[in-house]
Amino acid sequence: ETGVTQTPRHLVMGMTNKKSLKCEQHLGHNAMYWYKQSAKKPLELMFVYSLEERVENNSVPSRFSPECPNSSHLFLHLHTLQPEDSALYLCASSQTPRVMNTEAFFGQGTRLTVV
Amino acid sequence: QKEVEQNSGPLSVPEGAIASLNCTYSDRGSQSFFWYRQYSGKSPELIMFIYSNGDKEDGRFTAQLNKASQYVSLLIRDSQPSDSATYLCAVNRGGYSTLTFGKGTMLLVSP
Repeated sequence: ETGVTQTPRHLVMGMTNKKSLKCEQHLGHNAMYWYKQSAKKPLELMFVYSLEERVENNSVPSRFSPECPNSSHLFLHLHTLQPEDSALYLCASSQTPRVMNTEAFFGQGTRLTVV
Repeated sequence: QKEVEQNSGPLSVPEGAIASLNCTYSDRGSQSFFWYRQYSGKSPELIMFIYSNGDKEDGRFTAQLNKASQYVSLLIRDSQPSDSATYLCAVNRGGYSTLTFGKGTMLLVSP
């Protein structure tokens, strides 16, 4: 089992569809993150969950809705997306987010294309 | 606006040379600094982190931090073609380990 697993790896969806991205971590971490990586842009932090509580939401449109049912699972629910939302969505996890040197481990990402 | 700046490259070096990757950051409150490597189509993987001024060495990699100049660098000695990737600089803003990333520098090591 890899540390952080994301499914699906690739997703093509229409603007009226509803889909969900799934992330699972097997590292015993208690913080999970969603990042968006677009071409020629830095990785953008979207959401942070610590002990299943959302602790950061970086002005993300409401068409992205995160869910963290427990410390090992994280979802990103998608609805009525726009073509500009096409990107690589990366999940990450870390231990105790208040410790400053905690590194983040990334999943392989979901390549999302909105048509 | 807290920013992390990197030259997008590509930085081309011959095999066996030293590759020098640079990063500047705008937030003086930044406390920890990370270098991630990302191969094309793959996720970022951590190479090193540093939080004290000076140098930190790990194998062929050396991270250098100068907080006064708000500058962090990564040196790769004896560069190999397998080092060809995009290198992402990230800084921790404190509080939570939420990382702010630069756009990355593409490194190409030619045989």
